[in-house]
Amino acid sequence: DAGVIQSPRHEVTEMGQEVTLRCKPISGHDYLFWYRQTMMRGLELLIYFNNNVPIDDSGMPEDRFSAKMPNASFSTLKIQPSEPRDSAVYFCASSLTGAGQNTEAFFGQGTRLTVV
Amino acid sequence: AQSVTQLGSHVSVSEGALVLLRCNYSSSVPPYLFWYVQYPNQGLQLLLKYTTGATLVKGINGFEAEFKKSETSFHLTKPSAHMSDAAEYFCAVSDRLDMRFGAGTRLTVKP
Repeated sequence: DAGVIQSPRHEVTEMGQEVTLRCKPISGHDYLFWYRQTMMRGLELLIYFNNNVPIDDSGMPEDRFSAKMPNASFSTLKIQPSEPRDSAVYFCASSLTGAGQNTEAFFGQGTRLTVV
Repeated sequence: AQSVTQLGSHVSVSEGALVLLRCNYSSSVPPYLFWYVQYPNQGLQLLLKYTTGATLVKGINGFEAEFKKSETSFHLTKPSAHMSDAAEYFCAVSDRLDMRFGAGTRLTVKP
């Protein structure tokens, strides 16, 4: 498997524009996580899905952020409208549950978002 | 709720010296614990994990960590630092649903 695939790797956009980040989890994994990493706040869990269903979105900072997982092989994180303070690296990760146990999360390479 | 505290945002050691990165956790259920490493402009890579069984776990690149329930700790060690160990290290705790990370510790290795 190619691992967790995120696109784009880099995104530069103007304030007010809509931004969509994409993630393809590892095939067969049933958990998908979105994290945001900044110097100030470290690695924050934004939202996670189990079997395509959002389980906990309490980490989503504002209504400007939304995430979807229409099927087991694809998820999006959308920011509309974007603001400079959204600039960060966004990571997607997936994991597999087995016998009721959650194994480690496998991370994508991240999307570096810059909002100017 | 679960959380992780990593003591020391920056640690600097000399090449060949002992590496000790500290991690304390809180969890309402028996935790799963992880250490990840992040190299510049890369995603996070698993170093080692503790789920059940032996409390001393060995990982890649010569790292190991010991789960101490009484101290709610999961410190990461390596007997002899190598220049290639310079990176950021994250401790994480899972309650089998989500995974929460500490703030990270940046390890610098001096020649």
